[in-house]
Amino acid sequence: NAGVTQTPKFQVLKTGQSMTLQCAQDMNHNSMYWYRQDPGMGLRLIYYSASEGTTDKGEVPNGYNVSRLNKREFSLRLESAAPSQTSVYFCASTWTSGGGETQYFGPGTRLLVL
Amino acid sequence: KQEVTQIPAALSVPEGENLVLNCSFTDSAIYNLQWFRQDPGKGLTSLLLIQSSQREQTSGRLNASLDKSSGRSTLYIAASQPGDSATYLCAVTVNNAGNMLTFGGGTRLMVKP
Repeated sequence: NAGVTQTPKFQVLKTGQSMTLQCAQDMNHNSMYWYRQDPGMGLRLIYYSASEGTTDKGEVPNGYNVSRLNKREFSLRLESAAPSQTSVYFCASTWTSGGGETQYFGPGTRLLVL
Repeated sequence: KQEVTQIPAALSVPEGENLVLNCSFTDSAIYNLQWFRQDPGKGLTSLLLIQSSQREQTSGRLNASLDKSSGRSTLYIAASQPGDSATYLCAVTVNNAGNMLTFGGGTRLMVKP
């Protein structure tokens, strides 16, 4: 099992450019999450998908959109990147959203917006 | 709004020392609490998960305790090794909140040989 995979690993964007961060899991998990990690602020939830076909906002959703393409894949899109979106982005998954199980994290995507 | 705080932000100890990392949270209505390890430039690895009804969990040299009423958790690392050097994050799951995690800022641990 590859677990949770993320692409790309690194990306540099100019202000106003758009991009999509990809995430896939092969553990047959129902729930998937996108977090961002900034120095001194820990991880903050951007969006999550409790099950295929559903998405909900987290703590910091502004400037982002998500798509739960199928059970395996959950993508995060920046329509018009801003320097404030420079961060490390982590995708995570878990079996269900209501069972309190541990979450499994991908290796992260490091994004720099100039 | 749930807030999670970890103290200290950084810690340096000699190899072999026993150490305690602290985590506090403001809302005691949690579903569970997890401790994660993050190596530089890497993702997070779950170490221990404590359900709200439990008081502690152990895995090898690691022991995590939970006092929900006081909003505190500790991660005890016995006989620390240089390989334990990493950032340790605690996170709580709030009841009926889609299993969303609220994270602390982490404690950066360095164990010197």
